[in-house]
Amino acid sequence: QQKVQQSPESLSVPEGGMASLNCTSSDRNFQYFWWYRQHSGEGPKALMSIFSDGDKKEGRFTAHLNKASLHVSLHIRDSQPSDSALYFCAASDNSNNRIFFGDGTQLVVKP
Amino acid sequence: GGIITQTPKFLIGQEGQKLTLKCQQNFNHDTMYWYRQDSGKGLRLIYYSITENDLQKGDLSEGYDASREKKSSFSLTVTSAQKNEMAVFLCASSKLGDYAEQFFGPGTRLTVL
Repeated sequence: QQKVQQSPESLSVPEGGMASLNCTSSDRNFQYFWWYRQHSGEGPKALMSIFSDGDKKEGRFTAHLNKASLHVSLHIRDSQPSDSALYFCAASDNSNNRIFFGDGTQLVVKP
Repeated sequence: GGIITQTPKFLIGQEGQKLTLKCQQNFNHDTMYWYRQDSGKGLRLIYYSITENDLQKGDLSEGYDASREKKSSFSLTVTSAQKNEMAVFLCASSKLGDYAEQFFGPGTRLTVL
């Protein structure tokens, strides 16, 4: 069973709109969460990490973590066409130096 | 800063052929990873190496071998290429620790004829 599930699979928002991406995990041992972004033809790049319950804001990006419900989300305010990419949620459980990636959400921001 | 270099960028092989992909990093990171990504989908871990003399199997290790030649380099061998494994192979590295960010290379795209 996939340890990290993401929804939706794909998302289309207008330029200037809000994009909301969701992620849930099935492993209560997960303590560290990340969002990675992959533009077409490139390798993924870490966007932000979140390790504590609550919100973390970096510019137009806000991540929210609720460890009790094993849910993490990413909200992109004032979405830009350059935000169009594949977004991965990832999590780790502090035991074996690996992180588990979800299958990704494909975001398209239409001008 | 640093960079991860993957060679070759494109690799074309025949079915049944043994093929090797190479990865170099200059971050001085302890841990290195190989992932496979099928056509814009998720990342599946093939092998990883926590420190220079370590090798760990991931979720997709069957049909692959890996070798950590030195701290900065990690290679992946497809032991017998199959048509259903055409994909992009991504190398990554990180500092030691589960909270550490992974840095990815640009990938090697494998085509099997």
